[in-house]
Amino acid sequence: EVQLVESGGGLVQPGGSLRLSCAASGFTFSSYWMSWVRQAPGKGLEWVANIKQDGSEKYYVDSVKGRFTISRDNAKNSLYLQMNSLRAEDTAVYYCARDGVVVPAGSDYWGQGTLVTVSS
Amino acid sequence: SYVLTQPPSVSVAPGKTARITCGGNNIGSKSVHWYQQKPGQAPVLVIYYDSDRPSGIPERFSGSNSGNTATLTISRVEAGDEADYYCQVWDSSSDHPNAVFGGGTQLTVL
Repeated sequence: EVQLVESGGGLVQPGGSLRLSCAASGFTFSSYWMSWVRQAPGKGLEWVANIKQDGSEKYYVDSVKGRFTISRDNAKNSLYLQMNSLRAEDTAVYYCARDGVVVPAGSDYWGQGTLVTVSS
Repeated sequence: SYVLTQPPSVSVAPGKTARITCGGNNIGSKSVHWYQQKPGQAPVLVIYYDSDRPSGIPERFSGSNSGNTATLTISRVEAGDEADYYCQVWDSSSDHPNAVFGGGTQLTVL
């Protein structure tokens, strides 16, 4: 059974940092693109970033470029999102999602999300 | 950046057909994916590559994509279909490829 479990969310002050993790199981992690998607309270989905199987390609939404870094450790079946210089508008539930073997496949499995709150 | 436009809400009676549109410039040249999200839950992929259904998704869900509009069609709507629906594409037309979601459509079953 495919499982994605996010962790690392919490309350952080503006300008602070957080590192989100996503533990994957039930599939060959190294064979898939992976994404982070977020959803602000009461708002729609927003794609944040994705990463190729070997980490050689990474893409970001403009609003997080230079502040967030996506990475993965295939040996640990884990996906990460390092978030720096956090702003109030980064407050959201962050989902880890499994993409396809190639983009532009859809995201067929999602974690339950981890809440990030940026507030003083 | 590429923009996807969805109607904020669609209402349909049980047993009828719901159609949710997703507009974008020449969206017919892109692959469109659709997600269903119920309150407090993670999104679920219901249609990928315009019209394919993942395993476990009822045949009542179908998709099409042509010109400037993609459409998610839900036939014989049931109360359990009430949810938010989002379309998504991968936009590789710029120097900075990225995925884009539509604003979402709230489906209400009357």
